[in-house]
Amino acid sequence: EVQLVESGGGLVQPGGSLRLSCAASGFTFNTYAMNWVRQAPGKGLEWVSTISGSGDNTHFADSVQGRFTISRDSSKNTVYLQMNSLRADDTAVYYCAKGGDASMAVFDFWGQGTLVTISS
Amino acid sequence: DIVLTQSPASLAVSLGERATINCKSSQSIFYSSNNKDYLTWYQQKPGQPPKLLIYWASTRESGVPDRFSGSGSGTDFTLTISSLQAEDVAVYYCQQYYSTPWTFGQGTKVEIK
Repeated sequence: EVQLVESGGGLVQPGGSLRLSCAASGFTFNTYAMNWVRQAPGKGLEWVSTISGSGDNTHFADSVQGRFTISRDSSKNTVYLQMNSLRADDTAVYYCAKGGDASMAVFDFWGQGTLVTISS
Repeated sequence: DIVLTQSPASLAVSLGERATINCKSSQSIFYSSNNKDYLTWYQQKPGQPPKLLIYWASTRESGVPDRFSGSGSGTDFTLTISSLQAEDVAVYYCQQYYSTPWTFGQGTKVEIK
Protein backbone atom coordinates (compact mmCIF):
# COMPACT_ATOMS: atom_id res chain seq x y z
CA GLU A 1 0.00 0.00 0.00
CA VAL A 2 1.38 3.37 -1.02
CA GLN A 3 1.79 5.80 1.87
CA LEU A 4 3.05 9.36 1.81
CA VAL A 5 3.50 11.16 5.12
CA GLU A 6 4.39 14.84 5.15
CA SER A 7 5.96 16.65 8.06
CA GLY A 8 7.74 19.90 8.85
CA GLY A 9 4.94 22.40 8.53
CA GLY A 10 4.32 25.14 11.04
CA LEU A 11 4.17 28.87 11.72
CA VAL A 12 7.04 30.93 10.32
CA GLN A 13 7.62 34.67 10.06
CA PRO A 14 7.85 36.33 6.65
CA GLY A 15 11.35 35.98 5.26
CA GLY A 16 11.95 32.78 7.19
CA SER A 17 12.71 29.25 6.06
CA LEU A 18 11.17 25.84 6.48
CA ARG A 19 11.96 22.34 5.23
CA LEU A 20 9.15 19.94 4.48
CA SER A 21 9.66 16.19 4.34
CA CYS A 22 7.62 13.47 2.72
CA ALA A 23 8.31 9.89 3.78
CA ALA A 24 7.23 7.39 1.15
CA SER A 25 6.53 3.68 1.38
CA GLY A 26 4.79 0.93 -0.54
CA PHE A 27 6.47 1.44 -3.91
CA THR A 28 9.91 1.47 -5.53
CA PHE A 29 10.81 5.02 -4.54
CA ASN A 30 13.58 5.79 -7.02
CA THR A 31 11.42 4.71 -9.95
CA TYR A 32 8.90 7.52 -9.65
CA ALA A 33 8.90 11.29 -9.81
CA MET A 34 7.68 13.08 -6.71
CA ASN A 35 5.79 16.33 -6.51
CA TRP A 36 4.65 19.05 -4.16
CA VAL A 37 1.25 20.66 -4.65
CA ARG A 38 -0.18 23.32 -2.35
CA GLN A 39 -3.61 24.62 -1.48
CA ALA A 40 -4.13 27.98 0.15
CA PRO A 41 -6.98 28.10 2.69
CA GLY A 42 -10.30 27.84 0.88
CA LYS A 43 -8.61 27.95 -2.52
CA GLY A 44 -7.74 25.60 -5.37
CA LEU A 45 -4.73 23.46 -6.11
CA GLU A 46 -1.38 24.88 -7.23
CA TRP A 47 1.51 22.75 -8.43
CA VAL A 48 4.77 23.77 -6.75
CA SER A 49 7.61 21.45 -7.77
CA THR A 50 8.57 18.11 -9.33
CA ILE A 51 11.69 15.97 -9.03
CA SER A 52 12.39 13.03 -11.32
CA GLY A 53 12.91 9.51 -10.02
CA SER A 54 16.67 9.80 -10.38
CA GLY A 55 16.72 13.27 -8.86
CA ASP A 56 18.49 14.63 -11.94
CA ASN A 57 15.64 16.80 -13.13
CA THR A 58 13.62 19.33 -11.22
CA HIS A 59 10.86 21.77 -12.12
CA PHE A 60 9.39 24.69 -10.23
CA ALA A 61 6.41 26.99 -10.49
CA ASP A 62 7.38 30.56 -11.29
CA SER A 63 5.93 31.65 -7.95
CA VAL A 64 8.60 29.69 -6.02
CA GLN A 65 11.49 29.59 -8.50
CA GLY A 66 14.69 30.75 -6.82
CA ARG A 67 13.21 30.47 -3.33
CA PHE A 68 12.33 26.75 -3.07
CA THR A 69 14.47 23.70 -3.77
CA ILE A 70 13.40 20.07 -4.03
CA SER A 71 15.54 17.03 -3.32
CA ARG A 72 15.20 13.35 -2.54
CA ASP A 73 17.09 10.77 -0.52
CA SER A 74 16.63 7.26 -1.85
CA SER A 75 18.26 5.76 1.26
CA LYS A 76 15.44 7.23 3.35
CA ASN A 77 12.67 7.09 0.74
CA THR A 78 12.06 10.74 1.46
CA VAL A 79 11.53 13.84 -0.64
CA TYR A 80 12.19 17.31 0.71
CA LEU A 81 11.02 20.81 -0.07
CA GLN A 82 13.34 23.53 1.22
CA MET A 83 11.46 26.81 1.37
CA ASN A 84 13.34 30.09 1.82
CA SER A 85 12.33 33.75 1.77
CA LEU A 86 8.81 32.76 2.72
CA ARG A 87 5.95 35.16 2.06
CA ALA A 88 2.40 35.43 3.31
CA ASP A 89 1.09 34.04 0.02
CA ASP A 90 3.03 30.82 0.62
CA THR A 91 0.54 30.01 3.37
CA ALA A 92 -1.10 26.74 2.37
CA VAL A 93 -1.46 23.06 2.97
CA TYR A 94 1.43 21.41 1.17
CA TYR A 95 0.74 17.99 -0.30
CA CYS A 96 3.31 15.47 -1.40
CA ALA A 97 2.13 13.54 -4.46
CA LYS A 98 3.62 10.59 -6.29
CA GLY A 99 4.05 10.76 -10.04
CA GLY A 100 2.28 8.03 -11.95
CA ASP A 101 3.23 5.49 -14.57
CA ALA A 102 1.50 7.59 -17.22
CA SER A 103 3.50 10.72 -16.45
CA MET A 104 5.48 12.36 -13.68
CA ALA A 105 2.73 14.94 -13.50
CA VAL A 106 -0.18 12.53 -13.07
CA PHE A 107 -0.48 12.59 -9.30
CA ASP A 108 -1.73 9.11 -8.45
CA PHE A 109 -1.24 9.12 -4.67
CA TRP A 110 -1.31 12.02 -2.25
CA GLY A 111 -0.31 12.49 1.35
CA GLN A 112 -2.60 14.11 3.91
CA GLY A 113 -0.70 17.37 3.72
CA THR A 114 1.13 19.63 6.14
CA LEU A 115 0.05 23.18 6.94
CA VAL A 116 2.49 26.03 6.45
CA THR A 117 1.49 29.40 7.89
CA ILE A 118 3.51 32.51 7.16
CA SER A 119 2.66 35.31 9.56
CA SER A 120 4.30 37.78 11.91
CA ASP B 1 1.18 29.02 -19.17
CA ILE B 2 -1.80 26.87 -20.06
CA VAL B 3 -4.97 28.13 -18.39
CA LEU B 4 -7.76 25.68 -17.60
CA THR B 5 -11.23 27.13 -17.11
CA GLN B 6 -13.85 24.95 -15.46
CA SER B 7 -17.59 25.43 -15.65
CA PRO B 8 -19.78 25.68 -13.80
CA ALA B 9 -18.16 26.80 -10.56
CA SER B 10 -20.75 24.79 -8.68
CA LEU B 11 -23.72 22.61 -9.42
CA ALA B 12 -26.44 20.86 -7.47
CA VAL B 13 -27.73 17.57 -8.82
CA SER B 14 -30.38 15.18 -7.51
CA LEU B 15 -29.29 11.75 -6.36
CA GLY B 16 -29.20 9.37 -9.30
CA GLU B 17 -29.06 12.17 -11.86
CA ARG B 18 -26.20 13.06 -14.20
CA ALA B 19 -23.57 15.66 -13.33
CA THR B 20 -21.45 17.23 -16.05
CA ILE B 21 -18.36 19.35 -15.50
CA ASN B 22 -16.52 21.13 -18.28
CA CYS B 23 -12.85 22.05 -18.58
CA LYS B 24 -11.58 24.29 -21.35
CA SER B 25 -7.88 24.70 -22.06
CA SER B 26 -6.32 27.90 -23.39
CA GLN B 27 -4.41 25.79 -25.92
CA SER B 28 -4.54 22.26 -27.25
CA ILE B 29 -3.16 19.64 -24.88
CA PHE B 30 -3.30 16.89 -27.49
CA TYR B 31 0.02 15.33 -28.48
CA SER B 32 -0.21 13.96 -32.02
CA SER B 33 2.93 11.85 -31.61
CA ASN B 34 1.12 9.50 -29.22
CA ASN B 35 -2.50 10.49 -29.93
CA LYS B 36 -3.13 11.40 -26.31
CA ASP B 37 -4.64 14.31 -24.42
CA TYR B 38 -2.64 15.31 -21.36
CA LEU B 39 -5.50 15.89 -18.94
CA THR B 40 -6.45 14.47 -15.57
CA TRP B 41 -9.42 14.81 -13.25
CA TYR B 42 -9.24 14.77 -9.46
CA GLN B 43 -11.87 14.56 -6.74
CA GLN B 44 -11.34 16.31 -3.41
CA LYS B 45 -13.73 15.65 -0.56
CA PRO B 46 -13.85 18.03 2.42
CA GLY B 47 -10.83 17.67 4.68
CA GLN B 48 -9.15 15.15 2.39
CA PRO B 49 -6.37 15.28 -0.18
CA PRO B 50 -7.29 15.04 -3.85
CA LYS B 51 -7.83 11.66 -5.44
CA LEU B 52 -6.98 10.79 -9.04
CA LEU B 53 -10.04 9.79 -11.06
CA ILE B 54 -9.11 10.05 -14.74
CA TYR B 55 -5.92 10.49 -16.78
CA TRP B 56 -5.23 10.72 -20.52
CA ALA B 57 -8.58 12.57 -20.50
CA SER B 58 -10.62 9.36 -20.48
CA THR B 59 -8.70 6.55 -18.75
CA ARG B 60 -10.25 5.68 -15.42
CA GLU B 61 -7.83 5.09 -12.55
CA SER B 62 -7.96 1.63 -11.00
CA GLY B 63 -10.73 1.35 -8.43
CA VAL B 64 -12.69 4.38 -9.62
CA PRO B 65 -16.38 3.56 -10.10
CA ASP B 66 -17.51 3.36 -13.72
CA ARG B 67 -20.12 6.07 -13.17
CA PHE B 68 -17.19 8.49 -13.60
CA SER B 69 -16.13 9.06 -17.20
CA GLY B 70 -13.97 11.57 -19.02
CA SER B 71 -14.27 12.73 -22.59
CA GLY B 72 -13.07 15.40 -24.98
CA SER B 73 -9.93 16.24 -26.90
CA GLY B 74 -7.79 19.19 -27.85
CA THR B 75 -9.10 22.06 -25.76
CA ASP B 76 -12.51 20.92 -24.50
CA PHE B 77 -13.04 18.23 -21.93
CA THR B 78 -15.86 16.87 -19.79
CA LEU B 79 -16.13 14.85 -16.59
CA THR B 80 -19.46 13.07 -16.27
CA ILE B 81 -20.90 11.39 -13.21
CA SER B 82 -23.65 9.27 -14.73
CA SER B 83 -25.69 8.69 -11.57
CA LEU B 84 -24.75 10.93 -8.67
CA GLN B 85 -24.28 9.24 -5.30
CA ALA B 86 -24.11 10.92 -1.90
CA GLU B 87 -20.43 10.06 -1.60
CA ASP B 88 -19.67 12.03 -4.79
CA VAL B 89 -20.16 15.37 -3.03
CA ALA B 90 -16.77 16.99 -3.56
CA VAL B 91 -14.81 19.56 -5.51
CA TYR B 92 -13.54 18.33 -8.86
CA TYR B 93 -10.41 19.65 -10.57
CA CYS B 94 -9.01 19.18 -14.03
CA GLN B 95 -5.24 19.41 -14.56
CA GLN B 96 -3.01 19.50 -17.61
CA TYR B 97 0.33 17.78 -17.81
CA TYR B 98 1.15 18.74 -21.39
CA SER B 99 3.73 21.32 -20.36
CA THR B 100 5.15 22.93 -17.27
CA PRO B 101 3.94 24.62 -15.24
CA TRP B 102 1.41 21.86 -14.68
CA THR B 103 -1.83 23.76 -14.05
CA PHE B 104 -5.21 23.06 -12.50
CA GLY B 105 -8.65 24.38 -13.19
CA GLN B 106 -10.22 26.44 -10.42
CA GLY B 107 -12.48 23.60 -9.32
CA THR B 108 -16.16 22.72 -9.53
CA LYS B 109 -18.15 22.04 -6.37
CA VAL B 110 -20.76 19.30 -6.70
CA GLU B 111 -23.60 19.17 -4.20
CA ILE B 112 -26.85 17.27 -3.76
CA LYS B 113 -30.03 19.06 -4.76
